[in-house]
Amino acid sequence: DAGVTQSPTHLIKTRGQHVTLRCSPISGHKSVSWYQQVLGQGPQFIFQYYEKEERGRGNFPDRFSARQFPNYSSELNVNALLLGDSALYLCASNREPPNTGELFFGEGSRLTVL
Amino acid sequence: GQNIDQPTEMTATEGAIVQINCTYQTSGFNGLFWYQQHAGEAPTFLSYNVLDGLEEKGRFSSFLSRSKGYSYLLLKELQMKDSASYLCAVLAGANNLFFGTGTRLTVIP
Repeated sequence: DAGVTQSPTHLIKTRGQHVTLRCSPISGHKSVSWYQQVLGQGPQFIFQYYEKEERGRGNFPDRFSARQFPNYSSELNVNALLLGDSALYLCASNREPPNTGELFFGEGSRLTVL
Repeated sequence: GQNIDQPTEMTATEGAIVQINCTYQTSGFNGLFWYQQHAGEAPTFLSYNVLDGLEEKGRFSSFLSRSKGYSYLLLKELQMKDSASYLCAVLAGANNLFFGTGTRLTVIP
């Protein structure tokens, strides 16, 4: 079975632009979470979605938004990009919350904002 | 708020045992996870503790004391491939997994 897949793997944007990152969970997994990992730091929780509804939100500005589709895939959108948004964006899936089992992470989308 | 502390870096010798500590202060606690992350790769699950005590899985063991807000990851018979970052993460509430900054372990011959 395929693992969590994310696209694009790398992208470069300039300040003020918008970006959309995509994630497909493992087949059978209904919950998707998004994390931001700045170089040298641990992942920071952004959102969790389950059954197309937001179930959790981290301490990120409203420029960050996400959604989950009927097939459980998900998009993370970031508007008005800032230099500080440069990071590895990780998507993780599990069957359903609460996260009493392991999270399966994708390889991430590395965003560089110039 | 959430506060998770772990050492930034550690070095250990191949074949030895190393213990990576993690202390936490969180509003709500539903379990503690340890993840391994090699440079440039995604984190991979190592262990999950929700009750006090030691969980053993091969060369890796994880311990939890909820009253002390403390956990450790024990790695035995270290191998060069164990060089990686080890992330302590706390499940606070039902859905929010909060990570520490990670401990970068270097295994030397």
